[in-house]
This record gives sequence, C-alpha cells and structure tokens, in this order.
Amino acid sequence: ILNVEQSPQSLHVQEGDSTNFTCSFPSSNFYALHWYRWETAKSPEALFVMTLNGDEKKKGRISATLNTKEGYSYLYIKGSQPEDSATYLCAFYNFNKFYFGSGTKLNVKP
Amino acid sequence: NAGVTQTPKFQVLKTGQSMTLQCAQDMNHNSMYWYRQDPGMGLRLIYYSASEGTTDKGEVPNGYNVSRLNKREFSLRLESAAPSQTSVYFCASMNSPTYGYTFGSGTRLTVV
Repeated sequence: ILNVEQSPQSLHVQEGDSTNFTCSFPSSNFYALHWYRWETAKSPEALFVMTLNGDEKKKGRISATLNTKEGYSYLYIKGSQPEDSATYLCAFYNFNKFYFGSGTKLNVKP
Repeated sequence: NAGVTQTPKFQVLKTGQSMTLQCAQDMNHNSMYWYRQDPGMGLRLIYYSASEGTTDKGEVPNGYNVSRLNKREFSLRLESAAPSQTSVYFCASMNSPTYGYTFGSGTRLTVV
C-alpha cells in the first residue's frame, strides 16, 4: 500500500483569498498523478492529469504543479469563490491502479 | 448520458445479509474499479479489473468479491454484510492513466 498524503486536511478561507494545498507521493516509479474535485453528494470529477516533472496545468482560477523528483504536487486556487468549496483529492498511479490521498476539504466563506 | 451507472443508490442491510452492487460503463473503458469512502479516510480501493477477464485485490478486499461480467459490467458482492462495511461505494472506470477516472454516482450502504 502506497502512502499518498495531502495537507492540510481542511481549510477555511474568505471569498477572494488565494490558497494552495499539497499532495505528497512516492518519488520512485512515477507514472501519473491526478487531481479531483469532489463536491458534497456528488462524484469526484477529474481536474488535472499530470504526467511529466515540471508540469503546470491551469483551468480558470485553478492551477497545479508537479515535482516528481521530490514527490509532491501543489494545487493553487486564485481568488477563491464560494463555489470552489469542495474536497480536493489527489491520486497517484502505480501498477494499474490509483492510490488516493485523504483529501483537503476547502470551505470558502462569502 | 454516457458514463458510469451504479445501482442501487441507497441500501440498508441487516448484519449477515448479502447483496450485489452493480456497475456498468458505456465508454468502452478497459479498466474498472470499486472504492469505498469513509470519513477522514479518502477513497480506498477494494478490487479492480485492469481488463476484461481479470480481477485483483486492492487495499481493503476482505469481505468482498467481484465479477467482471463483460467489458461493460463490474459487480461487487458482499456475502455476509457487517456493520464495518457501512460506507459509500464508488465504481470508476478508465482506459489509460493519462486520462482521469470517470466515477459513478455512488451507493450509500448502511449495515445495521
């Protein structure tokens, strides 16, 4: 069982704040890392698929970076909005399956 | 709509009862997965099927069995339900790790 760690566990910010959180994963045998957004009572939805060291992906106000040599990825949200409130999961691919972190729960207050 | 369909959405079982959770995808994906989600523990892999005809254990397989009936369908069976199996179960599928999973809508199971 691989260890995929996310921090912080939860985050409370005000509307308009920028925020970031971390996913740590094993630095050996890297193939792919995924970020998912998971809203309450819904299914997780893919945000980013990251495969190369130094990858930077962006979707609107959300972006992610990847460092495979040191085994971490950052997710950034610029100017948080209440609709960004969700749990953000990262998942590390190893031998046909993904291992998920426990997620960062983001609450954005209006 | 194309995607992953899970049934049922909700189920209450008594300890010792059995049931099968159904999952079907219409995206021609090769790989299918069953996860359970418990508070504070993220998603944990129960079983997966990397391709039609194969199944493998994940992180928490005890108490479960699976069947990859064909390329579209992957079922999860609880032979004798226990309260520790109270959870939300998600089925997912994908074709390649360079693409994301597509998840079903989940099954909320309570074992009393």
